[in-house]
Amino acid sequence: DAGVIQSPRHEVTEMGQEVTLRCKPISGHDYLFWYRQTMMRGLELLIYFNNNVPIDDSGMPEDRFSAKMPNASFSTLKIQPSEPRDSAVYFCASSPSTNGAFFGQGTRLTVV
Amino acid sequence: AQSVTQLGSHVSVSEGALVLLRCNYSSSVPPYLFWYVQYPNQGLQLLLKYTTGATLVKGINGFEAEFKKSETSFHLTKPSAHMSDAAEYFCAVSDHNSGNEKLTFGTGTRLTIIP
Repeated sequence: DAGVIQSPRHEVTEMGQEVTLRCKPISGHDYLFWYRQTMMRGLELLIYFNNNVPIDDSGMPEDRFSAKMPNASFSTLKIQPSEPRDSAVYFCASSPSTNGAFFGQGTRLTVV
Repeated sequence: AQSVTQLGSHVSVSEGALVLLRCNYSSSVPPYLFWYVQYPNQGLQLLLKYTTGATLVKGINGFEAEFKKSETSFHLTKPSAHMSDAAEYFCAVSDHNSGNEKLTFGTGTRLTIIP
């Protein structure tokens, strides 16, 4: 398996623009997680899904953030409108259950 | 709520010396515990995990960790450091008992290896 695949790897956008981050989890994994990593706040869980259903979105910063998982092989994290403080590395991870999550390479987002 | 505390945001050891990275957790029930490693511009890679059973767990790259309930600790060790071990290490906890699969991460420890 190729592991968790995220796209794009890097994204530079202007403030106010919509940004969509994409994730393909490992086949057969029931859980999908979106994390954000910054120097100031470390790794923060934004939202996670189980069998395509959002379970806990308490980490989503505000209404500008939304996540979807239309099927078992694809998820998106959307920011609309984007702001400079959203600049971070966003990780997608998947897990078969209790074995620990497998992380993608991340998307480095810069909002100018 | 589950939490982990990693003592020491930066640790430096000489090549060949013992590596010890500290992690303490807070939980009302025995949690599942994990160590991850992150190399520059990379995602996190699972080093090892404790769920149940043997309290000394071995992982990849010669690392191991011991779950000590009485000390609420899960410290990561490696007998002899290699230059390739230089990276950031994260301890994480999940409260599987409550059906919550999410991982809560510590703030990380950056390991530097001195030649």
